[in-house]
Amino acid sequence: SQQGEEDPQALSIQEGENATMNCSYKTSINNLQWYRQNSGRGLVHLILIRSNEREKHSGRLRVTLDTSKKSSSLLITASRAADTASYFCATDVGGFQKLVFGTGTRLLVSP
Amino acid sequence: DAGVIQSPRHEVTEMGQEVTLRCKPISGHDYLFWYRQTMMRGLELLIYFNNNVPIDDSGMPEDRFSAKMPNASFSTLKIQPSEPRDSAVYFCASSRWGAETQYFGPGTRLLVL
Repeated sequence: SQQGEEDPQALSIQEGENATMNCSYKTSINNLQWYRQNSGRGLVHLILIRSNEREKHSGRLRVTLDTSKKSSSLLITASRAADTASYFCATDVGGFQKLVFGTGTRLLVSP
Repeated sequence: DAGVIQSPRHEVTEMGQEVTLRCKPISGHDYLFWYRQTMMRGLELLIYFNNNVPIDDSGMPEDRFSAKMPNASFSTLKIQPSEPRDSAVYFCASSRWGAETQYFGPGTRLLVL
């Protein structure tokens, strides 16, 4: 069964705008990761945040984690057409190395 | 490094046929994972190996599915006999011991008619 539920399911924005997607999960975690999947391709790791961290940055990505609410958000600033993809959160609820993926958010960035 | 390699990239077969999917993990990685992705169920972990040994196969849907890892550089996922509901994209991923990040292959798109 899927651990993460992502919101929104789909998001359409213009280039230059910010995109925010959210992930909620059900049980305690050690870390939460975000992955990107371009159409017809495999998943690519973007960023990992540990349970004792509240915020993390990587380039144009900002991830927050609220363990009390069991939720995380991924912010992509100044979006580009190349950011068009599906974004998945993944939690380690199954134990070390065993990830459970969320339902994903489909992001469309129009030029 | 070439990344995780999967073959074939596309497979079309008829119901009842045997299907074998192949994966070559990144050299030096200790863990290998097989996932299935469908619109209805999303991305599901089927089985994973550590140092060629199956650790958790609880996600394997039924006895028609089997996976092997005869050595550190090769794994197969076999479906026998295949059914239309097995149609999906199957991903292989690998990771190093001590690292939580997984590296995914390009996937095999399977269509069972």
